[in-house]
Amino acid sequence: AQKITQTQPGMFVQEKEAVTLDCTYDTSDPSYGLFWYKQPSSGEMIFLIYQGSYDQQNATEGRYSLNFQKARKSANLVISASQLGDSAMYFCAMSAVYNQGGKLIFGQGTELSVKP
Amino acid sequence: DTEVTQTPKHLVMGMTNKKSLKCEQHMGHRAMYWYKQKAKKPPELMFVYSYEKLSINESVPSRFSPECPNSSLLNLHLHALQPEDSALYLCASSKREINEQFFGPGTRLTVL
Repeated sequence: AQKITQTQPGMFVQEKEAVTLDCTYDTSDPSYGLFWYKQPSSGEMIFLIYQGSYDQQNATEGRYSLNFQKARKSANLVISASQLGDSAMYFCAMSAVYNQGGKLIFGQGTELSVKP
Repeated sequence: DTEVTQTPKHLVMGMTNKKSLKCEQHMGHRAMYWYKQKAKKPPELMFVYSYEKLSINESVPSRFSPECPNSSLLNLHLHALQPEDSALYLCASSKREINEQFFGPGTRLTVL
């Protein structure tokens, strides 16, 4: 069965510090994609970063980087230099080609609060 | 144009009403999705359209009826809803089903 696990329901970080949000996944599909989304209190889901299962290098997008450890089946999101506007719910998600038909499977989310 | 739009932003309806949610994208994406999301929970997939054909229905009750009139538009028709259907309804699109999905701002639905 395909599954995404986020073990941190809530986290606090001081402004300007880095923070790591954990995500582990389980799939038997050899080809899959891993995604992180940010959802502020306004409700919109904002796509942050993508990592393909065959990508050799970790994905980076500005202050966001994805620490992809394939053998451990983990895809942690690292946010550098946190800002107050980073306070939001963060969802890790996976899409597997063969077993899911491309459906996105979401984790339960991590609520990040950035303190001034 | 790199956004997904949804109307209305808020909707309050009675259990006997019929209403529709609308979603539009002009990114040339060929896959479109409806999700339902309760507070503090992840989105739950309802329907997937691929190349304007319904490809996935996640056993959604028939009081929800999706429609894809063309490659840019996706509707969700609502009829005889229950109070437990109150939620945020999110639309998303992607180039194809395996690519990253881009979400609209959602419609906050309240069923009285």
